[in-house]
Amino acid sequence: DAGVIQSPRHEVTEMGQEVTLRCKPISGHDYLFWYRQTMMRGLELLIYFNNNVPIDDSGMPEDRFSAKMPNASFSTLKIQPSEPRDSAVYFCASRSDGYEQYFGPGTRLTVT
Amino acid sequence: TQLLEQSPQFLSIQEGENLTVYCNSSSVFSSLQWYRQEPGEGPVLLVTVVTGGEVKKLKRLTFQFGDARKDSSLHITAAQPGDTGLYLCAGDTGNQFYFGTGTSLTVIP
Repeated sequence: DAGVIQSPRHEVTEMGQEVTLRCKPISGHDYLFWYRQTMMRGLELLIYFNNNVPIDDSGMPEDRFSAKMPNASFSTLKIQPSEPRDSAVYFCASRSDGYEQYFGPGTRLTVT
Repeated sequence: TQLLEQSPQFLSIQEGENLTVYCNSSSVFSSLQWYRQEPGEGPVLLVTVVTGGEVKKLKRLTFQFGDARKDSSLHITAAQPGDTGLYLCAGDTGNQFYFGTGTSLTVIP
């Protein structure tokens, strides 16, 4: 099993640009989570899906952030327009019915 | 405000020493997990505890869930350089899933 796949691994963009982060969960996992990690705030849950349906997006910082899961094998997190304070490592994780979440390697986003 | 507070935030010890990391909250959790994260990687699950008072051992690591299911501890015996990393607790309230503030552990050879 390839595990959770995220792309790109690193993204550097200028303020105001659109950023799209991608995630392929582990096959068969019904839950998909998007997290953001910073030194100041730690690991924060942004949104999670169950069977491709968004269940809780209360962690999404503001309207500039949006997430989609068009099918069971793909999800995107989009930031438009990006701002320097969005700089962070963004993780995607997936889970089956059990407790364990399997995390991807993360996307390190730098907005200049 | 963080729902799960971990202490200490940073810990640097010599190889062979013992240490304990704490994870505290005022909320009750249906389950609590401990993860370890290494630089450049995502967190990896170490253990899940679900019953108040539960103790689980994983080699030199001992995990305990508080009787009231509001807190947990991780004890490492005879720490090794390979234990270096960021340790995160995570609690499930049934409605939401929260990660702790993290404890960065460095074990010096």
